[in-house]
This record gives sequence, structure tokens and C-alpha cells, in this order.
Amino acid sequence: AQSVSQHNHHVILSEAASLELGCNYSYGGTVNLFWYVQYPGQHLQLLLKYFSGDPLVKGIKGFEAEFIKSKFSFNLRKPSVQWSDTAEYFCAVGGNTGKLIFGQGTTLQVKP
Amino acid sequence: DTGVSQNPRHKITKRGQNVTFRCDPISEHNRLYWYRQTLGQGPEFLTYFQNEAQLEKSRLLSDRFSAERPKGSFSTLEIQRTEQGDSAMYLCASSPRGFEEKLFFGSGTQLSVL
Repeated sequence: AQSVSQHNHHVILSEAASLELGCNYSYGGTVNLFWYVQYPGQHLQLLLKYFSGDPLVKGIKGFEAEFIKSKFSFNLRKPSVQWSDTAEYFCAVGGNTGKLIFGQGTTLQVKP
Repeated sequence: DTGVSQNPRHKITKRGQNVTFRCDPISEHNRLYWYRQTLGQGPEFLTYFQNEAQLEKSRLLSDRFSAERPKGSFSTLEIQRTEQGDSAMYLCASSPRGFEEKLFFGSGTQLSVL
């Protein structure tokens, strides 16, 4: 079965702390991986994506993610979070149709 | 780029009533997607269109649900005989071409079935 699992449902960090959000997936065939973010009161928007090539991908606002095929993982990282990173983060996996399977999301709260 | 527009933003209805939502994608985006999101969960895929053709429907989409995109521009999602379990945020997204393109999401329609 196709699925995405995000390990942390709610994360609370202080500003300048490092962030790592876990994401594991189960998917048959070619896999494309995404992280989407939803800031308070805003719509979902793309943070970064991986299709092929370098497994370390960089996105907007200093975020990066590493695809580890052997672990079926695509963890999101940021060396130093800011208060403005407070949001809900969704990992998603897709194939070649554009249809995405999302994880249940992780709420990140950054304390100033 | 005016973004993906969804109307209405909120809909409250009584069980058994029919409701229709509208999505206007970004101009010239030929792919349009509908997702449903409940509290504490990620979006769940419902269906998608390439131009006016509906290419895939999720098993989540029961016979009470129907989606159309008659001219390959805006889309409507209708729910007939609504049930309390239909209460959710209904999200629309569009993309320029294919799977390699990112999805642009709208703000959603929040449905509450009483």
C-alpha cells in the first residue's frame, strides 16, 4: 500500500535551534518526493521537491531534505529555525501522474 | 498569476442537502486536482483532470460525489445527499503540465454538515 508516515506530530523549538522532521514512505515504482508547508492562515505551498539526481535537495527559506532510498526516507532539515517558520509541514510522495499522497503533517511551533 | 481561487470559502449545510464547490485554477494550467483534508490529517486525493478529461478518481469518491471541468478551465465538485462524515476542507490545486510540476493550492472550501 502507498503511504507516507511523519514521525513527529507536534514539534516545539526555540529560535536558532536546528530542525529535522522525519518522513518515511511506502510506494511502488518511480518515486517523487515533496515537502509542502502551510503557514498560519495561508494555503499549502511547495518547500522543495526531489525527482532524481542529487539526493540532497535545497528549497526555499534555507530548508533542505535528503532522500535516502535504502531507508525510504526524505527528512526535512534546517540548521537554524526562525519564529516565522512556525507552520504545518507535510511530506508527500507521488508517481508520474501528479497525484500526491500526503503524510498527516507536523506542526512546528518556534518560540521567539 | 492570480492564484487558485475557490468558492465559497465556507459552507454550512444540513445533512441530506446537495452542495457544489467551484475552483478556478491558474490560467493555462491544464491539470486540476481535488483533495479533501480533515483535522489533523494531510490532504487526501479525490480526483484530477487534465484539461476537461477526468483521468483518475479515488475510491474515497463515492457515487454521491461528482466533479466536472467542462471547458478545461474551472471545475466544480458536487456532493449529493451530504452526510456528517463529509465535513472537511476541500482543496483544489492546479499545475501547468505534468507530475514534475509543483501544485498550486487554493485556500479551500470548509464544509460543515449539521
